[in-house]
Amino acid sequence: AQKITQTQPGMFVQEKEAVTLDCTYDTSDPSYGLFWYKQPSSGEMIFLIYQGSYDQQNATEGRYSLNFQKARKSANLVISASQLGDSAMYFCAMREGRNNFNKFYFGSGTKLNVKP
Amino acid sequence: GAVVSQHPSWVICKSGTSVKIECRSLDFQATTMFWYRQFPKQSLMLMATSNEGSKATYEQGVEKDKFLINHASLTLSTLTVTSAHPEDSSFYICSSPLGGEIGKTQYFGPGTRLLVL
Repeated sequence: AQKITQTQPGMFVQEKEAVTLDCTYDTSDPSYGLFWYKQPSSGEMIFLIYQGSYDQQNATEGRYSLNFQKARKSANLVISASQLGDSAMYFCAMREGRNNFNKFYFGSGTKLNVKP
Repeated sequence: GAVVSQHPSWVICKSGTSVKIECRSLDFQATTMFWYRQFPKQSLMLMATSNEGSKATYEQGVEKDKFLINHASLTLSTLTVTSAHPEDSSFYICSSPLGGEIGKTQYFGPGTRLLVL
């Protein structure tokens, strides 16, 4: 089974509007971390936000928030007030366990296009 | 945050030649380095995990004799694509985790685009 599933290959959003990028995960480990990354056309991986499995509150980082629904095993990324510079690929990732040296599992990504 | 550099950023080579990609941690000691390959419009695929001073661990389906990984120091890991062929053309990215507080991200290098003619 896929560890991370992103079902939206591409998304369009109007500038200044909010957008939600979906991510579901599969693990039997009670301890895990969920990450979102942005990859612009340059290829660099930009860390956006992290949510730990034991965190009680949804993570927020500026315009980014993570809608963590543990029972549904979903970790959707919400970008508020979209900007043209938000156009990029977005990857959801999971690391199982409490060891920062464990490997990541990446989803297939969502290409976000922000329209002016 | 921690900085990882990667060199070269672009390389074009002829089929049959070998290409070495270097990944350096600039301001921390990288005991572990992950090497990924990414084909156009696809996700990152983990190729192998290298640990300083020991043999790399390769993911299933990755040819260890073709993709040689060396992690000889705490600041340098290298990936050598031996006898490269056009199908090896891809974007190669390294990343290194940090220990300490739970939840830290991996720190990614900027990537190397390899084109094999």
